[in-house]
Amino acid sequence: EIVLTQSPATLSLSPGERATLSCRASQSVTRYLAWYQQKPGQAPRLLIYDASNRATGIPARFSGSGSGTDFTLTISSLEAEDFAVYYCQQRSSWPLTFGGGTKVEIK
Amino acid sequence: EVQLLESGGGLVQPGGSLRLSCTASGFTFSSYGMSWVRQAPGKGLEWVSAISAGGDSTMYADSVRGRFTSSIDNSKNTLYLQMNSLRAEDTAIYYCAKRFGVNWFDPWGQGTLVTVSS
Repeated sequence: EIVLTQSPATLSLSPGERATLSCRASQSVTRYLAWYQQKPGQAPRLLIYDASNRATGIPARFSGSGSGTDFTLTISSLEAEDFAVYYCQQRSSWPLTFGGGTKVEIK
Repeated sequence: EVQLLESGGGLVQPGGSLRLSCTASGFTFSSYGMSWVRQAPGKGLEWVSAISAGGDSTMYADSVRGRFTSSIDNSKNTLYLQMNSLRAEDTAIYYCAKRFGVNWFDPWGQGTLVTVSS
């Protein structure tokens, strides 16, 4: 099973600041990594797939990068609606796995 | 607009059974694989099961294999999750999700809560 480790667990930032979230895989997933956003009481929403492709309707301030074992989700300038929990997910091999999540909170 | 609506959650005793449903609309259901993902209270996401378009192929997490079964009814645009031999650790919100690309999840339903407790 591929283990995804997200860091940091919590990121405290102010609106307008840049957020950098990390996801590290226990073995290479090539570029088969996605990012999801989950707000309290809501279902997750796909943001990024195949490491760097934005899903439909996702603002350009969200970007993904990386390959192999190290991946990054960057939010260039945080807006009020971006404070949420973010999960990475790999589809390189079964079972499909998620990281433990990074909570982006208002400082 | 794609919509997924889960139902069937509730309180069940350990060792009991429950069947979840996920009714889809807004897309050609028979052309897409589907998945179940769960989230224990206050915890992260855990993939549970995937089923291919047409339902001829299924995959399960080790934690549920042999106890849970996914199936589809294309005539009803509905995905099912039959859950047997339920344990306390199966307590979670269960989400259904449409397969996007190859094994990405988009969109998700609103979830249905399953509580396993005596």
